[in-house]
Amino acid sequence: NAGVTQTPKFRVLKTGQSMTLLCAQDMNHEYMYWYRQDPGMGLRLIHYSVGEGTTAKGEVPDGYNVSRLKKQNFLLGLESAAPSQTSVYFCASSFGSSQAFFGQGTRLTVV
Amino acid sequence: AQSVTQLGSHVSVSEGALVLLRCNYSSSVPPYLFWYVQYPNQGLQLLLKYTSAATLVKGINGFEAEFKKSETSFHLTKPSAHMSDAAEYFCAVRGGGTASKLTFGTGTRLQVTL
Repeated sequence: NAGVTQTPKFRVLKTGQSMTLLCAQDMNHEYMYWYRQDPGMGLRLIHYSVGEGTTAKGEVPDGYNVSRLKKQNFLLGLESAAPSQTSVYFCASSFGSSQAFFGQGTRLTVV
Repeated sequence: AQSVTQLGSHVSVSEGALVLLRCNYSSSVPPYLFWYVQYPNQGLQLLLKYTSAATLVKGINGFEAEFKKSETSFHLTKPSAHMSDAAEYFCAVRGGGTASKLTFGTGTRLQVTL
């Protein structure tokens, strides 16, 4: 049972480049989330999804887009990367109001 | 709207001493509350959760937390700290409903000294 898997684990981008982060879960969870973690700021919600084909904005959505075409996958896209998007990104999933299960994170550096 | 405030970004205790990490929440509906732990370069792992059953919740690794509605608090405690408890701890609140967002505090880094 893999749980929540994030791909890639590390990435360095140049300003203006685009990329997609992939999150996959094998627990049949309805809810999926993307967070970013920055020192002293905890985890801030970027976007989330309450089911296949649905997405919603979180606390810090600007500069990011998401898609949930399949229940098990939640993609986070950066259209034009900026240095301010240097962060550690975590994906999580949950079943209803139960605990969220987290991936191991993606460390992204934008230079 | 919901929010979480964690008092103290860094807490240092001696090995064997009491651990107390503070969390206060704000929620317009009865909350679900969680404590997560993060070890260096790892994801978040659930320590314990409150979901409106018993107000005193026991978690893994000897941690427990008490839900106090009158104080809107959910402080995390452990009677005797161990070196392996050194990590960052996050309190989180979920307000319920179908749009079940999970909101985190800013975290408390626990240091355990000999």
